[in-house]
Amino acid sequence: AQSVAQPEDQVNVAEGNPLTVKCTYSVSGNPYLFWYVQYPNRGLQFLLKYITGDNLVKGSYGFEAEFNKSQTSFHLKKPSALVSDSALYFCAVRDDWGFGNVLHCGSGTQVIVLP
Amino acid sequence: KAGVTQTPRYLIKTRGQQVTLSCSPISGHRSVSWYQQTPGQGLQFLFEYFSETQRNKGNFPGRFSGRQFSNSRSEMNVSTLELGDSALYLCASSSTGVEQYFGPGTRLTVT
Repeated sequence: AQSVAQPEDQVNVAEGNPLTVKCTYSVSGNPYLFWYVQYPNRGLQFLLKYITGDNLVKGSYGFEAEFNKSQTSFHLKKPSALVSDSALYFCAVRDDWGFGNVLHCGSGTQVIVLP
Repeated sequence: KAGVTQTPRYLIKTRGQQVTLSCSPISGHRSVSWYQQTPGQGLQFLFEYFSETQRNKGNFPGRFSGRQFSNSRSEMNVSTLELGDSALYLCASSSTGVEQYFGPGTRLTVT
């Protein structure tokens, strides 16, 4: 069964500092991995995905993620955090067996960027 | 292109009632998935529809049902509402079968 874990419920970071949000995954087969962000009273917004290829994936709003197969991790990173990055971040994995769009999401990490 | 739209945005119902939520996917997207989001459980997959057929189903009781119309619009129905059904219900659509695009959600409160 596919699953992801986000070990931190909350991450606090000062504006301008690097931001890292952790995610580890467990899959049978090749992982399709995603990061989404949710602002208050909004749905999830797609940030980036990893399917295959380069382990460093670049996404929207200056975010990037590094796929590490040996550590089964897919951490989200941003070199310089903004106050506007304060939101709830979800890591997700999709079944890779061809049919179906079932996302298995982590519990979410609340990011607070302090001015 | 317009994004995924969901109606209504907010809903208050009483225990025992039923509710229908609606989702209009991005134009051209044929896959529609539904998720339940609660503070304690995070996002839980409900079901997915593709070309009017239920393609996947999550681990929810039969009180939760859905359907998809020929124009790809989807509805979700919850019968005999319970307090624990209070949640944000999110709809997502996809064309490529890879990334999904989410709507703003319907906030359901059961009293």
